[in-house]
Amino acid sequence: DGGITQSPKYLFRKEGQNVTLSCEQNLNHDAMYWYRQDPGQGLRLIYYSQIVNDFQKGDIAEGYSVSREKKESFPLTVTSAQKNPTAFYLCACRKEGRVEAFFGQGTRLTVV
Amino acid sequence: GENVEQHPSTLSVQEGDSAVIKCTYSDSASNYFPWYKQELGKGPQLIIDIRSNVGEKKDQRIAVTLNKTAKHFSLHITETQPEDSAVYFCAASSPHDNQGGKLIFGQGTELSVKP
Repeated sequence: DGGITQSPKYLFRKEGQNVTLSCEQNLNHDAMYWYRQDPGQGLRLIYYSQIVNDFQKGDIAEGYSVSREKKESFPLTVTSAQKNPTAFYLCACRKEGRVEAFFGQGTRLTVV
Repeated sequence: GENVEQHPSTLSVQEGDSAVIKCTYSDSASNYFPWYKQELGKGPQLIIDIRSNVGEKKDQRIAVTLNKTAKHFSLHITETQPEDSAVYFCAASSPHDNQGGKLIFGQGTELSVKP
């Protein structure tokens, strides 16, 4: 089955630690996105990438970093510089020339 | 930049009734308006979308209407069922964002359908 997979589903991090969230897709989609979701709020764009080895900051990029070494993969690192990292993180992908975006199942990150 | 406002934040209906969720957008250049359904602990799922060259689109019990002049669009769910209970998000995208595929989301509506 084709799809977009995020792992892990739940992640706990100690304050001061970096943590990396995985996002993999086998849909052969060109663009990939990371969104953050907080309770009672809409999704906010962190980073996005339209092609391999290129990515752009979204609206709330501070404290996050990404890489796009392969078309299938777009990992997100939440660094210690992110002051309030506890949230639900969603990855999405989109095929070039199309506007529809498809989401993974999300990773819930909790700082302990 | 684009701003999307969504109302109401919570909506409770009886099974079989209709539900309507409304969104307004600020950028008159926006031309793509998807609606997503998110069940608890899961990622959003695209349920219907509309482009600015049409005023209404329907898919079984779900319909979306768009008023470009007023810059608002609405989701209509008829004959609601308990499995329609979820959080619904609207979003908008403008042409210069289409290439990047960036979507600006509303705040979400938690729909509860009571049996």
